[in-house]
Amino acid sequence: GAVVSQHPSRVICKSGTSVKIECRSLDFQATTMFWYRQFPKQSLMLMATSNEGSKATYEQGVEKDKFLINHASLTLSTLTVTSAHPEDSSFYICSARDWGTSNSPLHFGNGTRLTVT
Amino acid sequence: SQQGEEDPQALSIQEGENATMNCSYKTSINNLQWYRQNSGRGLVHLILIRSNEREKHSGRLRVTLDTSKKSSSLLITASRAADTASYFCATDAYQAGTALIFGKGTTLSVSS
Repeated sequence: GAVVSQHPSRVICKSGTSVKIECRSLDFQATTMFWYRQFPKQSLMLMATSNEGSKATYEQGVEKDKFLINHASLTLSTLTVTSAHPEDSSFYICSARDWGTSNSPLHFGNGTRLTVT
Repeated sequence: SQQGEEDPQALSIQEGENATMNCSYKTSINNLQWYRQNSGRGLVHLILIRSNEREKHSGRLRVTLDTSKKSSSLLITASRAADTASYFCATDAYQAGTALIFGKGTTLSVSS
C-alpha cells in the first residue's frame, strides 16, 4: 500500500484562487518532505524542501510567497498554490524518506494534477 | 536543479528489441535510482544501484553505474508494448534534508 498519501489527485481551480495540496507520510515520521513540479513532457524539478517545525527551503527561481509550504507535524506537509494562474498548471509530487526502515527508502506520493482555468 | 542529460531523449523500438537509456550526473552520490512514469501518472521505482556497485539486474532490467564517468545506463531487454513510458534516473546523496535529483528523462515507445 501507499506509504506517502497525496491529496487531491486532481484539482481544477479558477485563476486567482488558492489550492492546497496535502502530503502525508503513513506509518512513519518525516521531518523532511520534498515537493516537485513536473510540466508536461518534462522531468521532475525540485521546488522546495519542507522542514517540520521550521521554514521551508526553496530552490532558486521558486517564489516562496506563491508556493506556501507548511510542515506542522511529522506526518503532514501542505503546499498551497496562492493566487493560481494558468501557468501554474502542472503535476505536483511530494516525497519523504523513511529513515526508520532499512535502506531508508524515499517514497513518492501519486501526484496532484493542477489545472488552472 | 537537475543532474544532467539523459540520452536519448526519445527512443522508438519494436517489441522484442532491447532498449538502452543513459544518464549522466554531476555530483557525488550514494546511490542512483531509475523510475518509470506512464503518461499522466505517478512514479514507479524500478531499481536502485549503490555507488559501490557496478551492475545490477532485476528481471528484464539491467543497470550499470560508472562513478568515474558519473554515468549510468538502463537496459530493458525483450521490450514489450507495456514498457512504453518515460524513464528517469535520479541521484541520491543519502543525506538528511537532501532530495532525489532527477535527470531529464527518456521517452520510450515500444510498438507491437
